[in-house]
Amino acid sequence: SQQGEEDPQALSIQEGENATMNCSYKTSINNLQWYRQNSGRGLVHLILIRSNEREKHSGRLRVTLDTSKKSSSLLITASRAADTASYFCATDHSGSSNTGKLIFGQGTTLQVKP
Amino acid sequence: DGGITQSPKYLFRKEGQNVTLSCEQNLNHDAMYWYRQDPGQGLRLIYYSQIVNDFQKGDIAEGYSVSREKKESFPLTVTSAQKNPTAFYLCASSRWEEQFFGPGTRLTVL
Repeated sequence: SQQGEEDPQALSIQEGENATMNCSYKTSINNLQWYRQNSGRGLVHLILIRSNEREKHSGRLRVTLDTSKKSSSLLITASRAADTASYFCATDHSGSSNTGKLIFGQGTTLQVKP
Repeated sequence: DGGITQSPKYLFRKEGQNVTLSCEQNLNHDAMYWYRQDPGQGLRLIYYSQIVNDFQKGDIAEGYSVSREKKESFPLTVTSAQKNPTAFYLCASSRWEEQFFGPGTRLTVL
């Protein structure tokens, strides 16, 4: 299976602290994306990083990608109670066929305590 | 108001019945996807379609069927051949790499 693995599975922090979650994958990618899911809802796209990029920022989010280690990390700085959700990495392994198919990890559940 | 909608929000099915989940988008996206999510798990791809009148099996297509007769619509039928259909079903669409998700349908087999 190409399914990515995320760690930790669960993370509990205080408001204002930083949260870091990691994603690993097995085969080469076109891009890696991070999504957020509030309980019982659909997913919302957060950020995309391409295979030739090493770091991207979006607001309080910072994503890094290390293709030699086949891993990525998502950092949420100055966390808020509203950041409480599950976070999923998703990888596009479609190569030149560009099907857009994504392989999702099992997710990290983040709880931010006020 | 652009977006992707799924209906119904909750669906109950008796064993042996086929049920159809609706997915509609007005984002003018070519590609659409169906995923299944089990409790505490990530998403697994059931079927996807990159263009009208064409679709491909995903990783767990057995017991499911789809159609793509219109760009806006990608209904999923859960057949009686699907042995464990109780799950949360998510539909998504995309133009480029980013996928936009609907709110999901929770299917329960009684």
